[in-house]
This record gives sequence, C-alpha cells and structure tokens, in this order.
Amino acid sequence: GENVEQHPSTLSVQEGDSAVIKCTYSDSASNYFPWYKQELGKGPQLIIDIRSNVGEKKDQRIAVTLNKTAKHFSLHITETQPEDSAVYFCAASVFNDMRFGAGTRLTVKP
Amino acid sequence: ETGVTQTPRHLVMGMTNKKSLKCEQHLGHNAMYWYKQSAKKPLELMFVYNFKEQTENNSVPSRFSPECPNSSHLFLHLHTLQPEDSALYLCASSQDQAGVNEKLFFGSGTQLSVL
Repeated sequence: GENVEQHPSTLSVQEGDSAVIKCTYSDSASNYFPWYKQELGKGPQLIIDIRSNVGEKKDQRIAVTLNKTAKHFSLHITETQPEDSAVYFCAASVFNDMRFGAGTRLTVKP
Repeated sequence: ETGVTQTPRHLVMGMTNKKSLKCEQHLGHNAMYWYKQSAKKPLELMFVYNFKEQTENNSVPSRFSPECPNSSHLFLHLHTLQPEDSALYLCASSQDQAGVNEKLFFGSGTQLSVL
C-alpha cells in the first residue's frame, strides 16, 4: 500500500518568512495530493490540493508543487503570519485509498 | 464551521463502559468516515460508509462498532476499550467515494480518554 513520509515534524519561522513542508510517497499510481491544516481543538481543514496531471498550483500565499518522477510534493507558504501556526498534513490517494503523513507542526513567531 | 458536527467533544470512560460517538453532516454528502488520530502518527482510517453501506473496515478491533442509519449520520459504538484506544476520533464526509471528488470535510473530533 501507499506510504507517505512528511518532513520536518516541527518547523519554526519568523513572521514574514517562507515555510516549506515536504512529502514523499511510494505508490506511483497515486493521483491526488491534498494538504490539510489542523488548528488547536479543530479537525483538519483542506487548504489546497493538486492532481497528478498538474505540476504546480497556487492559492494566494500557499502553493503546492508535485514532482511525479521523484514522487514528492511540497507545500510552500509565503509571507507567513501568526495565524498560519498549526499542524499541516499531506496525503496521497490512489483508488480511494488516502494515506496521510504524520504532520508538521508549524510555529510562526511574531 | 465545516458542516460536520461531532458529539461529544470530550469523553472519559472506563474499560468496562459502553459509550457512543455521534457524527452528523449537513453537506448532502454520500460518504462518511471514521479516523483515529494519535499523537505524532498519521491519521488512521477506521471505517468508510458510502450510501449507508460499509465499504471499508480497516482491520479495526470488534470493540469498535460503527453504525450508519442514513447518509447524514454516523455513530461509533465503543465497548470494553483499552487505554491504548485513547485518541482523537475524527469523523469526515465527502461527496462520494467514487474517487472523482475526494475532498474530505472533517468534524472537530471527540477526544477520548480510556482509564
């Protein structure tokens, strides 16, 4: 089955800096890659997703890139703000089998 | 507000108790899911229901028993749990499980502590 590795497990940045979270997956048939943000006391919320026929997708300050050859994808957050502090999860899905990474705790220091 | 509501938010139970977790979605979705979230581990899929029919049981122990009376409601019945079952239990829904639209909408979860 699919295996998703996520790095780093914790990330601390200064407000205004960029943050990058990376994930690798094992199943080359995976075709859907969502990113979820989980704030304290809440469930994960979808923030951006990408499908395997697209190499990059951007939504305001967040972007995701996908390298199918290397089987890795990344989340980029620019101009970070304190409200970006949360746990971020990547996931990879093939044939309805969605596997999640272990999460990255992002702290944005004012 | 995600449109997925879970109750209770917190639950403490003894190993011999029987309790139930409830999930309700107001999104008109056809698929509903139970996930287990433990600290520093990936989300673990437990059960999937699509159009009220269970389509996946991810080798979950029988002390966890799901019930889906209709497409909007999902329950997780708990009995004779173990301390290692303490975790955040998340309910999610999606439009369907056909693979075309897989966006998951999560509730806020039930934080379960088994003493």
